[in-house]
Amino acid sequence: GENVEQHPSTLSVQEGDSAVIKCTYSDSASNYFPWYKQELGKRPQLIIDIRSNVGEKKDQRIAVTLNKTAKHFSLHITETQPEDSAVYFCAAATNDYKLSFGAGTTVTVRA
Amino acid sequence: DVKVTQSSRYLVKRTGEKVFLECVQDMDHENMFWYRQDPGLGLRLIYFSYDVKMKEKGDIPEGYSVSREKKERFSLILESASTNQTSMYLCATHSSYRDEQYFGPGTRLTVT
Repeated sequence: GENVEQHPSTLSVQEGDSAVIKCTYSDSASNYFPWYKQELGKRPQLIIDIRSNVGEKKDQRIAVTLNKTAKHFSLHITETQPEDSAVYFCAAATNDYKLSFGAGTTVTVRA
Repeated sequence: DVKVTQSSRYLVKRTGEKVFLECVQDMDHENMFWYRQDPGLGLRLIYFSYDVKMKEKGDIPEGYSVSREKKERFSLILESASTNQTSMYLCATHSSYRDEQYFGPGTRLTVT
């Protein structure tokens, strides 16, 4: 089955700086790559996603890039704010929506 | 607004007990999923269902079973609870029209 690795496991950034989280996947058939954010005590929520026919996607301060050849994708958060502090999960799936998640990255934004 | 609810937020059970976790959604979504979440391991898929009475094993089905008798309800069953099943359990639904999984609030299960 699919194996998704996520790095780093923890990330501490100064407010206003950028944060980057990287994931690799093993199944070349995967074609859907969402990112979920989970705030403390809350449920995971989708923040951005990308399909394999697109190399980059942006939504305000967050962006995701995908390199199909290398089988890796990354989340970029610019101008970080305290409310960006959370656990972020990457995931990969084929057409059946069966998501394989990474282990998560705990992001702490220091004021 | 999609609503996914789970029967309990916190549950404490004894080793060997049969445990039922229920998930109910109100958006007529076809696909439903059960995950467990453990620190450092992320979310791991236990079982999923594409339709009523249909179920498929995920990555870690051992020790679990599921039931989907109605479209809106997906139950996770621990046949004989063990301490290594202490975890946070998350239910999710997925609409075929929109690529997003909607998660329930989670059930923190402790098996003693």
